[in-house]
Amino acid sequence: QKEVEQNSGPLSVPEGAIASLNCTYSDRGSQSFFWYRQYSGKSPELIMFIYSNGDKEDGRFTAQLNKASQYVSLLIRDSQPSDSATYLCAVMDSSYKLIFGSGTRLLVRP
Amino acid sequence: KAGVTQTPRYLIKTRGQQVTLSCSPISGHRSVSWYQQTPGQGLQFLFEYFSETQRNKGNFPGRFSGRQFSNSRSEMNVSTLELGDSALYLCASSLFLSSGSDEQFFGPGTRLTVL
Repeated sequence: QKEVEQNSGPLSVPEGAIASLNCTYSDRGSQSFFWYRQYSGKSPELIMFIYSNGDKEDGRFTAQLNKASQYVSLLIRDSQPSDSATYLCAVMDSSYKLIFGSGTRLLVRP
Repeated sequence: KAGVTQTPRYLIKTRGQQVTLSCSPISGHRSVSWYQQTPGQGLQFLFEYFSETQRNKGNFPGRFSGRQFSNSRSEMNVSTLELGDSALYLCASSLFLSSGSDEQFFGPGTRLTVL
């Protein structure tokens, strides 16, 4: 069973801090990695995707991928209360199925 | 450009009934995937359709089925509903998922309650 693991949280950070969200996956053949944000009662929205080892930055968000360690992370700089949501890590496995982690709940305290 | 639309948004059914949910992808998107989201199991992949063909299937019983039409619109059907089928059903579309690099965009979901 291919798995994507995330700490369920909640991860609580003060406003302005860096929030670090982590995800591990089991399928070594995975090629594409995605981070989605889901507000309560809403559908997931894509924040970032990453395909290559290393870092990818987009505004306040940085995705990091280490395929050797089967690890992907999302850093949110200058966290805002509006960032409070559940963050879902998704991995496209070797059969092109998108497998989601259970999500990490982030709380940004004003 | 309009996003992914799903109808109906809310549905209440009783055990044993069947239900059909509809999804219209973003214009130009040819791949449609369906997911079930519950508090206990999270987001689980149901199946994916491309060019009217099911390309991928998750680990759900045969009561869950789907189809895609020539205009890329998709429907999913659940027969003989069980209480455990109560969930948010999400549809996501992408241009061409098998490339391995396509982003999926989600619709607002259909909230199904089985009584």
